[in-house]
Amino acid sequence: QVQLQESGPGLVKPSETLSLTCTVSGGSVSSGSYYWSWIRQPPGEGLEWIGYIYYSGSTYYNPSLKSRVTISVDTSKNQFSLKLSSVTAADTAVYYCARVNRGSGWFRGPNWFDPWGQGTLVTVSS
Amino acid sequence: QSVLTQPPSVSGAPGQRVTISCTGSSSNIGAGYDVHWYQQLPGTAPKLLIYANSNRPSGVPDRFSGSKSGTSASLAISGLQAEDEADYYCQSYDSSLSGVVFGGGTKLTVL
Repeated sequence: QVQLQESGPGLVKPSETLSLTCTVSGGSVSSGSYYWSWIRQPPGEGLEWIGYIYYSGSTYYNPSLKSRVTISVDTSKNQFSLKLSSVTAADTAVYYCARVNRGSGWFRGPNWFDPWGQGTLVTVSS
Repeated sequence: QSVLTQPPSVSGAPGQRVTISCTGSSSNIGAGYDVHWYQQLPGTAPKLLIYANSNRPSGVPDRFSGSKSGTSASLAISGLQAEDEADYYCQSYDSSLSGVVFGGGTKLTVL
């Protein structure tokens, strides 16, 4: 079955850029049936959608983070990545990657998230 | 403040039935977008529990059920078990935000 695994630094300094990669196994990021997404969860808080990408490179971002977020896909490595610039302590969170089912009916956008990676804690601190 | 509103906590005794509500608006649930539910056990990643309002992925017990009506959706858990103690999140799409929205989460305590 499809598995996702996040990787990247666990500590980032304020004002720098957070960079994470999600490696997909058991499936292909080139599948037209799915989007590939990043979600985060600050300690003790709820889930926040960051954005998602289609294999073609089309991206969709949370308006509240759009100015600082870049998501890219590397089909040759079967990976997709997240960059979040100008980070502050408020960006400290567990970051998850997930596959998103693309609608097949009247709504062709993002539906449910499944599966999820195990998550990686990123702390922003000097 | 989340676009989808969930009660912060619910509780029930083993064997009982509990429901968790998810209230949206005319730009998300009320616009016809599907609602999906996730279970997050302590220290783990969220897991898909219900998709497209009322469908259970393979392996999810039929004690879990979902429904949707108007601008709201509900998750029902019957025959409550100790291992159901977790955080539950609803999720949909919002046309005003042009993006995915999550509820704030509900902590289920099994008494």
